[in-house]
Amino acid sequence: DGGITQSPKYLFRKEGQNVTLSCEQNLNHDAMYWYRQDPGQGLRLIYYSQIVNDFQKGDIAEGYSVSREKKESFPLTVTSAQKNPTAFYLCASGSGTSGRFGTDTQYFGPGTRLTVL
Amino acid sequence: GENVEQHPSTLSVQEGDSAVIKCTYSDSASNYFPWYKQELGKRPQLIIDIRSNVGEKKDQRIAVTLNKTAKHFSLHITETQPEDSAVYFCAAGLSGNTPLVFGKGTRLSVIA
Repeated sequence: DGGITQSPKYLFRKEGQNVTLSCEQNLNHDAMYWYRQDPGQGLRLIYYSQIVNDFQKGDIAEGYSVSREKKESFPLTVTSAQKNPTAFYLCASGSGTSGRFGTDTQYFGPGTRLTVL
Repeated sequence: GENVEQHPSTLSVQEGDSAVIKCTYSDSASNYFPWYKQELGKRPQLIIDIRSNVGEKKDQRIAVTLNKTAKHFSLHITETQPEDSAVYFCAAGLSGNTPLVFGKGTRLSVIA
């Protein structure tokens, strides 16, 4: 888990503003994911990428955009089109390493808590 | 697509007792079933996972069982301790290299 970092820890967005959440990993993982967590709900998939320069929409991609120019980085932009962005955003990465839980397992970063002012 | 149902949503147990959380899934193609523990304000931490080629897996006080025919899997925590108090999530996916679908979580409280 320590190999996945997210920044900032807290982020405040004004109406109509785009903001970008950072996710970096040094685990040599091929796959990276963005999930959104709302109170009382499980995690929902926004976007994922299984290889550099390629990414796929998840269940709730509307109002979000991503890029995957480097294996280590998968930034998420929350655009003004996302009408209810206040949530806890979690980045995860997986595969490429062996360990206690096997070679294909997802680990989470510490999260970014986004609040709309 | 996959749908994961988790219950109960809240669970209180006395310290030392066992806790069981159950999940069902809908997609018979799913082969990977992890469990995560999340403490307040923290990231989900993987505590155990199981793949479809086994029916049960144990790691110290925690165990997971899988019934692929019935499409359900369960988390068992024995000899619960106050530090086990957290929200637990089950998830299902084709593999650990593919997106996961999560249950809505179970808030476990262990009462000393």
